Amino acid sequence: QKEVEQDPGPLSVPEGAIVSLNCTYSNSAFQYFMWYRQYSRKGPELLMYTYSSGNKEDGRFTAQVDKSSKYISLFIRDSQPSDSATYLCAMSEAGGSYIPTFGRGTSLIVHP
Amino acid sequence: DSGVTQTPKHLITATGQRVTLRCSPRSGDLSVYWYQQSLDQGLQFLIQYYNGEERAKGNILERFSAQQFPDLHSELNLSSLELGDSALYFCASSSRLAASHNEQFFGPGTRLTVL
Repeated sequence: QKEVEQDPGPLSVPEGAIVSLNCTYSNSAFQYFMWYRQYSRKGPELLMYTYSSGNKEDGRFTAQVDKSSKYISLFIRDSQPSDSATYLCAMSEAGGSYIPTFGRGTSLIVHP
Repeated sequence: DSGVTQTPKHLITATGQRVTLRCSPRSGDLSVYWYQQSLDQGLQFLIQYYNGEERAKGNILERFSAQQFPDLHSELNLSSLELGDSALYFCASSSRLAASHNEQFFGPGTRLTVL
């Protein structure tokens, strides 16, 4: 079993839909949780990060962490075709090198 | 544009060969990370350098090695290449050795194809 599990998709939704992307993990020591967005033929870019449990909102994006269930989510409201990309969750332990462990990524397609 | 540059963009080579991938971090960043991304394994951390010194090692094969030079650019050397080494190789940089949210800025990647 991988430390971080993420459904690769693809997830296809119509423009304007609410998108829910999820990851589960097994390492209870993970404290920092990140979402990266990766467009085709580009490197990943950090979208959001949260520390420990709770919610964080940034515009149309909301990140949620439920440490009791070892489950994190990224919600995208009013999805746009420009949101079409691969979304990678990543997480790291507090202390040490903080080097993140990545999920495989979920491919999202938002069609007009 | 993240400010991290990688060369070459594409590399096609044969099994058994040796290649060198190059990365220039963002201006002022001392930390460089190398990752391998394949369809079946996702993004896998290989190795980290900080100000010229190796600081962390991940799933890096013995056939692979890296170094960071005094001007802070880094090179990843892949030798005795196998078909399974075909992947995207990303370099990332950050300003700190270990930041709490470890924001890393990724380069555009080098696509390696081993025939």
